[in-house]
Amino acid sequence: DTGVSQNPRHKITKRGQNVTFRCDPISEHNRLYWYRQTLGQGPEFLTYFQNEAQLEKSRLLSDRFSAERPKGSFSTLEIQRTEQGDSAMYLCASSHPGLGSEKLFFGSGTQLSVL
Amino acid sequence: DQQVKQNSPSLSVQEGRISILNCDYTNSMFDYFLWYKKYPAEGPTFLISISSIKDKNEDGRFTVFLNKSAKHLSLHIVPSQPGDSAVYFCAASGNQFYFGTGTSLTVIP
Repeated sequence: DTGVSQNPRHKITKRGQNVTFRCDPISEHNRLYWYRQTLGQGPEFLTYFQNEAQLEKSRLLSDRFSAERPKGSFSTLEIQRTEQGDSAMYLCASSHPGLGSEKLFFGSGTQLSVL
Repeated sequence: DQQVKQNSPSLSVQEGRISILNCDYTNSMFDYFLWYKKYPAEGPTFLISISSIKDKNEDGRFTVFLNKSAKHLSLHIVPSQPGDSAVYFCAASGNQFYFGTGTSLTVIP
């Protein structure tokens, strides 16, 4: 399977705990994006990387959120001191702008529930 | 500030008929538009796209139309099939990708 892989698929945590999600993009893709989706909404942009450089962050990404892509391959998204409002589907996508017009390829997402 | 809008949260169509999903955007600088399809518990999958220099792109049963003066695009599916039942998101590409809120399509056998 050469698609975008996200782990875990589901995460249930208690308010105040820290959680970390992982995304493995398609291997030749140099851009990696994180989105958040809640019920009845479309994906909302959080941040993106070009290789290992984090080029843009949404104002939705509070200081409790941090994302890394240390070697320009997989990425992690950490949420510290989780709140109930963080409950959402967290989607990772990758792309390679050099392969024609850019399109995003999404993983299956990590569904976070904060109790 | 919602830059991409899908004003119809749901649509029901009989199998074999045409499905038309609509999308409006506000930023005239968007240069590329995409449609994604999403099944429950899965990530969105790319369906079809169109560059801002074109007004139509067709791929099998799927056609996307772009009206730049109206800042409007639509996705036509013909003939509609039960397997097309899913949530459809339109997206626009500028410095990042902006998504609409989705339209849930139900194709009735």
